[in-house]
Amino acid sequence: ETAVFQTPNYHVTQVGNEVSFNCKQTLGHDTMYWYKQDSKKLLKIMFSYNNKQLIVNETVPRRFSPQSSDKAHLNLRIKSVEPEDSAVYLCASRDWGFQNTLYFGAGTRLSVL
Amino acid sequence: GDSVTQKEGLVTLTEGLPVMLNCTYQTIYSNAFLFWYVHYLNESPRLLLKSSTDNKRTEHQGFHATLHKSSSSFHLQKSSAQLSDSALYYCALKRTGNTGKLIFGLGTTLQVQP
Repeated sequence: ETAVFQTPNYHVTQVGNEVSFNCKQTLGHDTMYWYKQDSKKLLKIMFSYNNKQLIVNETVPRRFSPQSSDKAHLNLRIKSVEPEDSAVYLCASRDWGFQNTLYFGAGTRLSVL
Repeated sequence: GDSVTQKEGLVTLTEGLPVMLNCTYQTIYSNAFLFWYVHYLNESPRLLLKSSTDNKRTEHQGFHATLHKSSSSFHLQKSSAQLSDSALYYCALKRTGNTGKLIFGLGTTLQVQP
């Protein structure tokens, strides 16, 4: 049963354009993440928010910016995309308490031409 | 820093044979949580197994793994591979008390053939 929803599923764009991806979770969790899965399937954390506050900000280019309106939503904006941004972007959520399990969305596949 | 090593990028097996996917990790902390996530094609990655208890076997959906802190290992095993087990398997590490950030290995693709 899907509980982490990502839109869009796919996005094709050109270098220099701005894109935004949306993520919503209905699990009542207070922590959300963005992960990047590159072409070699490497899965790497980009950002983490706990209750609308940024708590993890890995070394990602400044053109990436997360946005959270409430604890159920975490969006990702890329200001001026580059070819190396082509990847699958996975959103995940977790209960901050004892539960350590990450629940992932289906991902947004970005292709930069 | 913390790291996870999955030395096999691709494992190809014939249906019915045993599965063993290797995972070793490095951390200076003793309170590590280890996970196996499975990512089927066109689906979301999802948790398969997790453990933080040394030398205790954990099982789910026919798979099992035992965390061995002495060797920093958390290998994934199954007695008999099925075609439906074909997927990408990630081993991951989390330290208790940190931000919940998971460090993933590079993943092992398991291909089960008839």
